[in-house]
Amino acid sequence: GAVVSQHPSWVICKSGTSVKIECRSLDFQATTMFWYRQFPKQSLMLMATSNEGSKATYEQGVEKDKFLINHASLTLSTLTVTSAHPEDSSFYICSARDPASGMMEYEQYFGPGTRLTVT
Amino acid sequence: GDSVTQMEGPVTLSEEAFLTINCTYTATGYPSLFWYVQYPGEGLQLLLKATKADDKGSNKGFEATYRKETTSFHLEKGSVQVSDSAVYFCALSRTGGNQFYFGTGTSLTVIP
Repeated sequence: GAVVSQHPSWVICKSGTSVKIECRSLDFQATTMFWYRQFPKQSLMLMATSNEGSKATYEQGVEKDKFLINHASLTLSTLTVTSAHPEDSSFYICSARDPASGMMEYEQYFGPGTRLTVT
Repeated sequence: GDSVTQMEGPVTLSEEAFLTINCTYTATGYPSLFWYVQYPGEGLQLLLKATKADDKGSNKGFEATYRKETTSFHLEKGSVQVSDSAVYFCALSRTGGNQFYFGTGTSLTVIP
């Protein structure tokens, strides 16, 4: 099946710095990518939806200036957490799909996630 | 709004035991329902799905039936194996929509 990778898998950064997380579709073109956030023992919460070449659509309550999403190519989306604070520590997961390939709307392929710890 | 409530874990079972993980949902209309599995260090993988009432999704010995009358989609397996140890997520998605609503996940550990 389709594979989505994330890099890094784990990152520690100091408070006030920025960190970038990459999400890549390895064997298909992902016109749409999604970013989720998961707190311990909680469900995945959708943060934003990004379509290649256009601005991301953020869910209510997600700060777009803090969580910068760039989907510059059909195989890569990046999430940059700017001026990170300890409360941003979480597990970030991306998913991707390519509607043009005939994928159903529920056929999203998930990355393994990135654990961010802000000290 | 739409939501999914999932049985809390962790769940520990002996090999060959029967597994049930409860999942109920709240949604208007007719969502599609899913079970995803996440093995250690890997991304979520679609385990099974059901797109309309009374559908039964099945895969790798796991089954779940879309029960509209009880708004449930419980996951079952008759005989679990050590290799089934993972975190299981129940989720729903609206037809034509992009967004998934996930449960909190249930960690399953199967001991030999």
